[in-house]
Amino acid sequence: DGGITQSPKYLFRKEGQNVTLSCEQNLNHDAMYWYRQDPGQGLRLIYYSQIVNDFQKGDIAEGYSVSREKKESFPLTVTSAQKNPTAFYLCATSPTNRGANTEAFFGQGTRLTVV
Amino acid sequence: AQKVTQAQTEISVVEKEDVTLDCVYETRDTTYYLFWYKQPPSGELVFLIRRNSFDEQNEISGRYSWNFQKSTSSFNFTITASQVVDSAVYFCALSDYSNDYKLSFGAGTTVTVRA
Repeated sequence: DGGITQSPKYLFRKEGQNVTLSCEQNLNHDAMYWYRQDPGQGLRLIYYSQIVNDFQKGDIAEGYSVSREKKESFPLTVTSAQKNPTAFYLCATSPTNRGANTEAFFGQGTRLTVV
Repeated sequence: AQKVTQAQTEISVVEKEDVTLDCVYETRDTTYYLFWYKQPPSGELVFLIRRNSFDEQNEISGRYSWNFQKSTSSFNFTITASQVVDSAVYFCALSDYSNDYKLSFGAGTTVTVRA
């Protein structure tokens, strides 16, 4: 079964806790992305990675961390420093981050709620 | 700087009506790419179309059509004879050289098609 797998689908976090959202892909894509979606604000880029062992901050990286130790995996950690983490998180991949092949493929998302 | 504006927050139509979603973009680059994505209630974004800045030909795919006009920096999307299954959030997105070809999304338009 090919594609992008995000887990869990729903996640509840207590205030002050770190949580990690999983994103795995078997599309052999080089680039991976994490977006945050809030009502009425579209998608905002948190972090992205164009190659293994390298990643860059997006527009709203504060309070988040990532790693890219394997091509297939790009986990996102929401740290306690993120003051308003309740949101829908989407992972995406693309064959490359350069030029025409910038069509992105998306996972089904993780809905994170702070309780 | 780049920006994507989707002025319509919500559109509600009756089945079989046509609906047009507006998208206006800003970029300083001559080479850029425009996209439309559909987000059904399940949450996953589904790619609909990619258009590069050098191809202003309008495109039709079944009941979907796109009107790209560089003179007005617009990339509008029309659903003809809408169906209930078209109910979703639709996002317009831009990627260009100045932003390292990362996707920048509009806020989205929620389309509700009533039976």
